[in-house]
Amino acid sequence: KQEVTQIPAALSVPEGENLVLNCSFTDSAIYNLQWFRQDPGKGLTSLLLIQSSQREQTSGRLNASLDKSSGRSTLYIAASQPGDSATYLCAVSGWGTSYDKVIFGPGTSLSVIP
Amino acid sequence: ETGVTQTPRHLVMGMTNKKSLKCEQHLGHNAMYWYKQSAKKPLELMFVYNFKEQTENNSVPSRFSPECPNSSHLFLHLHTLQPEDSALYLCAAGRENTEAFFGQGTRLTVV
Repeated sequence: KQEVTQIPAALSVPEGENLVLNCSFTDSAIYNLQWFRQDPGKGLTSLLLIQSSQREQTSGRLNASLDKSSGRSTLYIAASQPGDSATYLCAVSGWGTSYDKVIFGPGTSLSVIP
Repeated sequence: ETGVTQTPRHLVMGMTNKKSLKCEQHLGHNAMYWYKQSAKKPLELMFVYNFKEQTENNSVPSRFSPECPNSSHLFLHLHTLQPEDSALYLCAAGRENTEAFFGQGTRLTVV
């Protein structure tokens, strides 16, 4: 059974720092991994999608990496800003299954202090 | 704007009420989903529809009743809910094994 964990559960950093959020999954047979951002009380915004054949994806100040063999993904945020404050969730989709088998992690709550 | 719109954004209902949540997508995706997000818990998948057919019911109580009249609309009908059903209900649209797009959610409070 696939399980997804995220460390740390919460993180507070001063503005301008580079930071790394971690996501681990127990079954390496994934089809893709997706990082989402969620602002309080709101829906999820997709940040980056990494297919199983890829090692990383970049979008602006965000870089996500994937190491399937070790069951890990990291989300790197460069030069953090107060507007980055949100909860970040990772989600994995199983190999050969439809999206309805996506498993979400519990999220990392990020606070960027001005 | 993700292309997925949920209404209402906030809903307060009594335990004897009947209400419905609406989700609409303009992305042309064939799959739509309902998720429940309770405080301090991971997202829980509730229902999945593919091409308007329900393909998954994740052991959801019958007081939650989904409806998918066409590929652009998804409803969640609510009746005789319990206070513990208070949560953020999220709708998503997507294609198999591709990126998913979520609505802003409906914050439901059952009193």
